[in-house]
Amino acid sequence: GENVEQHPSTLSVQEGDSAVIKCTYSDSASNYFPWYKQELGKRPQLIIDIRSNVGEKKDQRIAVTLNKTAKHFSLHITETQPEDSAVYFCAASRGTGGYNKLIFGAGTRLAVHP
Amino acid sequence: GAVVSQHPSWVICKSGTSVKIECRSLDFQATTMFWYRQFPKQSLMLMATSNEGSKATYEQGVEKDKFLINHASLTLSTLTVTSAHPEDSSFYICSGFAGTERSEAFFGQGTRLTVV
Repeated sequence: GENVEQHPSTLSVQEGDSAVIKCTYSDSASNYFPWYKQELGKRPQLIIDIRSNVGEKKDQRIAVTLNKTAKHFSLHITETQPEDSAVYFCAASRGTGGYNKLIFGAGTRLAVHP
Repeated sequence: GAVVSQHPSWVICKSGTSVKIECRSLDFQATTMFWYRQFPKQSLMLMATSNEGSKATYEQGVEKDKFLINHASLTLSTLTVTSAHPEDSSFYICSGFAGTERSEAFFGQGTRLTVV
């Protein structure tokens, strides 16, 4: 079945450093790849997403890259700040019709130390 | 962005009782909504896809008779945990898709269920 693998499970960086989280998906029909930030006890918040017709997308300190051939995508956070500390999830979904489920990776716990 | 409202935000119930969780799309119509379960320090695991006016689709390993889903209108989906047991204690969260391409998922606040 569909599967999304995410690495690393934990990531510790110093403030100002960059953080990279990688995901691999199994379903070749997937074409929508969002990244979520989740704080303890809260709902996931979309931070950036990418669709399969694009190889890279950037929004200020956050960027996502997609390699469809290799079926992997990555989240890059530059100039990390303590408030970036949270759990980050990647996900993959087929289609854009709104009727397709999101399959989540296992999550990465990011800690940014002052 | 679109708003999904989920209630209650937390509930404590006794073993053997049933609990209903509501998920409402406040500013968009959702013919499909998704129910996830998240155990502490784990990922969101899809339980079922709720379809307006028809039966829900359950993921493998999820008991449909235990987790009853009703999607009677375009703005409301409910999940009822029947005969709850302590192992059902978890964070339950719903989501619906909205946006111009209906690709962006919006999540409810989540419901923390504790079965004692």
